[in-house]
Amino acid sequence: AQTVTQSQPEMSVQEAETVTLSCTYDTSESDYYLFWYKQPPSRQMILVIRQEAYKQQNATENRFSVNFQKAAKSFSLKISDSQLGDAAMYFCAYRSAGTGGSEKLVFGKGTKLTVNP
Amino acid sequence: DGGITQSPKYLFRKEGQNVTLSCEQNLNHDAMYWYRQDPGQGLRLIYYSQIVNDFQKGDIAEGYSVSREKKESFPLTVTSAQKNPTAFYLCASRQGRGNTQYFGPGTRLTVL
Repeated sequence: AQTVTQSQPEMSVQEAETVTLSCTYDTSESDYYLFWYKQPPSRQMILVIRQEAYKQQNATENRFSVNFQKAAKSFSLKISDSQLGDAAMYFCAYRSAGTGGSEKLVFGKGTKLTVNP
Repeated sequence: DGGITQSPKYLFRKEGQNVTLSCEQNLNHDAMYWYRQDPGQGLRLIYYSQIVNDFQKGDIAEGYSVSREKKESFPLTVTSAQKNPTAFYLCASRQGRGNTQYFGPGTRLTVL
């Protein structure tokens, strides 16, 4: 079974600075997807970024980018120019790309990000 | 507005009672999911449905039941058999295989 590990329960960053959140995963599959979701105090889960394992190029979405290291099974999220609205829980998630199956998401336990003014 | 709605936002239940959580989507998504979130934990899959009139158990289905009579709706019933039902429940949906899951705003269930 796949597992996702987020080793940083909490992180903090100064407004306008850059922060990197870590995620590692364990799988025997070669084709899969990885996601970062943000959960603000409202508790709505919001997709931040998505990476297909077959793509070597790291995904980027405005101030958010990932460092995807397939051999190391590592998928970190970098937030540049941090803003107060970035404060939230961030979850890393894995999903198999195989045909059949539930396409369920396997989540890590999350990292709480605090942004200091 | 297109999206996923969940109701109620907060729900209180006495021990021994069944309660039903609503999840509706107007995105024309094929698949729908129910996840449970406990404090300090990620989400865990309860049930999912990939087409109308069909659903499958997830990792923690014991004490829960679902139905999928319409494409737009996927209600979750928390039965009295669920030993520790106090949690935050999130519904999600996706369009077609390989696509991203999008989440509703969630329901906080508290057992008194």
